[in-house]
Amino acid sequence: QKEVEQNSGPLSVPEGAIASLNCTYSDRVSQSFFWYRQYSGKSPELIMSIYSNGDKEDGRFTAQLNKASQYVSLLIRDSQPSDSATYLCAVTYNNNDMRFGAGTRLTVKP
Amino acid sequence: GAVVSQHPSWVICKSGTSVKIECRSLDFQATTMFWYRQFPKQSLMLMATSNEGSKATYEQGVEKDKFLINHASLTLSTLTVTSAHPEDSSFYICSAPGSSSSYEQYFGPGTRLTVT
Repeated sequence: QKEVEQNSGPLSVPEGAIASLNCTYSDRVSQSFFWYRQYSGKSPELIMSIYSNGDKEDGRFTAQLNKASQYVSLLIRDSQPSDSATYLCAVTYNNNDMRFGAGTRLTVKP
Repeated sequence: GAVVSQHPSWVICKSGTSVKIECRSLDFQATTMFWYRQFPKQSLMLMATSNEGSKATYEQGVEKDKFLINHASLTLSTLTVTSAHPEDSSFYICSAPGSSSSYEQYFGPGTRLTVT
């Protein structure tokens, strides 16, 4: 059974702090890994994609992937109130089969 | 590029009626599209994979006779919720994959269905 698990949250951080979001997945043949941000009532929007072990940085966002531990994380530096949303971890298996975690709700307090 | 649209953005229908939701890839062709359903405060659940020119593949527990999917062209997939009931009220989102090398999904804006 393919499963993607996230810490349920909610996660609350003060403005300017680092928010750390974690995700584990259960299937070793996973190919691609994504973090999506979803505001209430909206569809997900892509924040980061990562395909190989290590870190990938894009602005205030850093994705980390450890395939041996089946673990992927997202760090948000200098968190802003506008970052408040639900963050979905997604893992793609063969044939574009994308599975989502339950999401972590992040609140950044001014 | 890679824009996916959905229509309608929201719909209210009476119990027992059918509702059709359209998903279009506006600037690229998509031989495959995906349909998700999301209940409040829950994650996206894959309902089915829509394949252009062939039958859709449904996830376990999704009634194929209730959720009819038609992928008639390389830019259009439709989801018809037949004999809708209040428990079908949900947020329906479609997506289409990007290039085969990235496996990224491009999501439509979603359709909010309310069955009264």
